[in-house]
Amino acid sequence: EPEVTQTPSHQVTQMGQEVILRCVPISNHLYFYWYRQILGQKVEFLVSFYNNEISEKSEIFDDQFSVERPDGSNFTLKIRSTKLEDSAMYFCASSGGKGTGGGETQYFGPGTRLLVL
Amino acid sequence: QKEVEQNSGPLSVPEGAIASLNCTYSDRGSQSFFWYRQYSGKSPELIMFIYSNGDKEDGRFTAQLNKASQYVSLLIRDSQPSDSATYLCAVDWFSGGGADGLTFGKGTHLIIQP
Repeated sequence: EPEVTQTPSHQVTQMGQEVILRCVPISNHLYFYWYRQILGQKVEFLVSFYNNEISEKSEIFDDQFSVERPDGSNFTLKIRSTKLEDSAMYFCASSGGKGTGGGETQYFGPGTRLLVL
Repeated sequence: QKEVEQNSGPLSVPEGAIASLNCTYSDRGSQSFFWYRQYSGKSPELIMFIYSNGDKEDGRFTAQLNKASQYVSLLIRDSQPSDSATYLCAVDWFSGGGADGLTFGKGTHLIIQP
């Protein structure tokens, strides 16, 4: 069964450093998402991406964040200058899109646990 | 501010009984509703989605939606110890753009007692 994959599974970085989190969405999906979950808190939406541009973003997704689809398979989240409060689990998700029979349904990858020291 | 509310629990249910999980949401314009299961340290795993008022059944799971009351629930029949997890309610507010971010509740921690 197709699944979303993410790398790395864990990332430790120093405050102020740049990190890039990588995701490979399900191959025939059109919509891609990033979420985060701070330990013990709820899952929070960051950004969605369609047709090589941002479709929607939350207040959390400020200028420190950027997303990119550098090739036909990868989808990345970059944090330019990490802060202590960026420590969280970051989930990538993908969905097929409207008209694909429940295409809005989002499937989540296993996550990247980011620790900022 | 669009909110999704769940009782955090823990909700303790004996093995073999019916577990009932509830979720309320703040905006009548919401279109799609999702139930995810999350084991500790893992990612959300889709259980069911529901769009229309009424009940939707899939195996041991039944989702119920009442848009007038802004209420969605998940019933788990014949509960098993492997059902012990946190159950997340998520809402697609349907901005119309196609790639809508989901708003999640905090989740209900379910414990199935053998």
